[in-house]
Formats: sequence, structure tokens, C-alpha cells
Amino acid sequence: QVQLVESGGDVVQPGRSLRLSCAASGFTFSTYAMHWVRQAPGKGLQWVAFISYDGSKKYYADSVKGRFTISRDNSKNTLSLQMNSLGYEDTGVYYCARPIFNYGGPPGYWGQGTLVTVSS
Amino acid sequence: QSVLTQPPSASGTPGQRVIISCSGSSSNIGSNPVNWYQQVPGTAPKLLIYSSNQRPSGVPDRISGSKSGTSASLAISGLQSEDEADYYCATWDDSLNGVLFGGGTQLTVL
Repeated sequence: QVQLVESGGDVVQPGRSLRLSCAASGFTFSTYAMHWVRQAPGKGLQWVAFISYDGSKKYYADSVKGRFTISRDNSKNTLSLQMNSLGYEDTGVYYCARPIFNYGGPPGYWGQGTLVTVSS
Repeated sequence: QSVLTQPPSASGTPGQRVIISCSGSSSNIGSNPVNWYQQVPGTAPKLLIYSSNQRPSGVPDRISGSKSGTSASLAISGLQSEDEADYYCATWDDSLNGVLFGGGTQLTVL
């Protein structure tokens, strides 16, 4: 079955960087687009970034554009999110998610999430 | 502020039918399928409906989805106490080139 396991969440100071990873298994990772979605404490879900199956297309939410970079390593079945210039507003649980269909669309499968806390 | 509009709250008594709406525009719901999720606080979202009206295996048939024009709906029949959770709609937006989520609806079973 589809498994997505995020890691890398931590407490970090404002302005610093952090890299999240997501280990995928149970499906052919190299044939599916992927997403990162986050949720601030007590708030709703917010889409962060999308990457196509081969990494050729990358899209970002305006709030993270220029600061975050999504990437993937299909040889290692791993999705990553490099987060730079972190601000308090970036605090939250970050989910790795896979669409139902390999071409894209909204998430269907979700990881358990990893917590990022930006605090001085 | 979410571009997909959901009521912030909904409620019903056990056994009742509840409908949660999700309103968008031509660039999102009007041209793309909708997913619905259930989220119990402290846990990851769970997929309830995909492609606007399809249920994944394991989701009971008392849960259904529909879409018309630029709006979508999630219906839960035979309401049970375990249905108490937050519910979100989501779809792709062709103008944004990204996923939009509704603001979420907190469902209370009275």
C-alpha cells in the first residue's frame, strides 16, 4: 500500500533554513507527481508546492515562492523540500502527499506529517 | 483567505443527513474534479471522495459527493458520532497552477 514518511521537522530560528524529506513506498514513485501541503496550528490546510513525475514542472504557493524549493530523487524514491529564510508564518505540520492519478490533481494519499516550528 | 468557500461549521443529530458545500470559480471547480477530506484534529487528512463523486475503498456509501458548475457538495447520511471532524474540499486551479483548499468545515454531531 502507499506509504509516505516525512522527516526533517525541527525547531529553527527565524531566517534559518531547513530541509524536509519524504520517503515513498508501495507505488512506482517515478510515475507520480507529488505535493507538499502544510497546516499551521489550529488552521486549515494550505498547499505549498507541486512537482511533476520527472521534476520538469514545479509550482509554488505565492507565500513560499523564492524561498522554498521542491525536488525529487526518483532513484531513491524521495521527495524533498528545501526551506530558506524561514519566518514565524512557516510554523506548522508539513505533509507529503500523492495525487490519486499520476498526472496530478489534488492529494489523495498523505503522510503522517512532520512539525516545523520557527521560534527565536 | 481561501478561494474555495466552505461554511465554517455544520451540525446534525445522529441519523440525520448533513450537506457541506464548497464554492469556487471557473478556473478551479468549474474545470477540475474535487476531492474531499476528513481530518480529526492531530491526525493527517483522510480522503473521502475523489474525482468529485468517487469513494475510495473503505469509505462507506453513506458518504457521497457531487459537483455542479462551480460548486461541489459532500453529503453524509446516517450521521454518527465518529463523523465529528473537520472537512475540507480541494481542487486544482488552472490560473494559480496549484491546489486550492477550502477553509474547512467543522462538523459537530449533537
